[in-house]
Amino acid sequence: GESVGLHLPTLSVQEGDNSIINCAYSNSASDYFIWYKQESGKGPQFIIDIRSNMDKRQGQRVTVLLNKTVKHLSLQIAATQPGDSAVYFCAENIGSGGSNYKLTFGKGTLLTVNP
Amino acid sequence: DTEVTQTPKHLVMGMTNKKSLKCEQHMGHRAMYWYKQKAKKPPELMFVYSYEKLSINESVPSRFSPECPNSSLLNLHLHALQPEDSALYLCASSQGHYRGETQYFGPGTRLLVL
Repeated sequence: GESVGLHLPTLSVQEGDNSIINCAYSNSASDYFIWYKQESGKGPQFIIDIRSNMDKRQGQRVTVLLNKTVKHLSLQIAATQPGDSAVYFCAENIGSGGSNYKLTFGKGTLLTVNP
Repeated sequence: DTEVTQTPKHLVMGMTNKKSLKCEQHMGHRAMYWYKQKAKKPPELMFVYSYEKLSINESVPSRFSPECPNSSLLNLHLHALQPEDSALYLCASSQGHYRGETQYFGPGTRLLVL
């Protein structure tokens, strides 16, 4: 979910459980969304994306759901593993055309997987 | 291969120093980006280059000067930085600077300004 102040939202799960990370986006005109995983000391790593003409997309162990009515995105991770521990960012592609497209990132969620 | 490389990994500089960050990709991507990321915060866009031309500058102070010598390389020249500029600087690239293009990130350069 979204954070207030300086603290990252956190989600703590047991190994083997399913994880759901939520994100609210701001712009109803956004038409492309990406989930990134960022491990400590590393750059963001692409996980999965979805375009606004879809409401669900599946990858390997991950599923992204898009609800445009309430401007909500979620990332589901099946059978969560310790290696999934990281900060997860959603990002929306904003722009009105031409060369002004930008990725705007959500505040991030820290996922901790307990063995 | 979706690899973006950045050098150096770490950099410590004084407020009067001049240094440069380097980024390289060999995926044939024509758009490259600089982001700044403070601890526990999301990346924030600084600059976008498309076909080696600057297309977005997010009102970044002039002490940060980007350069794109060719389609594979992106530099960020630093001069007279302030301690609050200490952050992780991330480079990214994408096929083009269009709607719906996935950006791939490098590992970042962790900068400390003393």
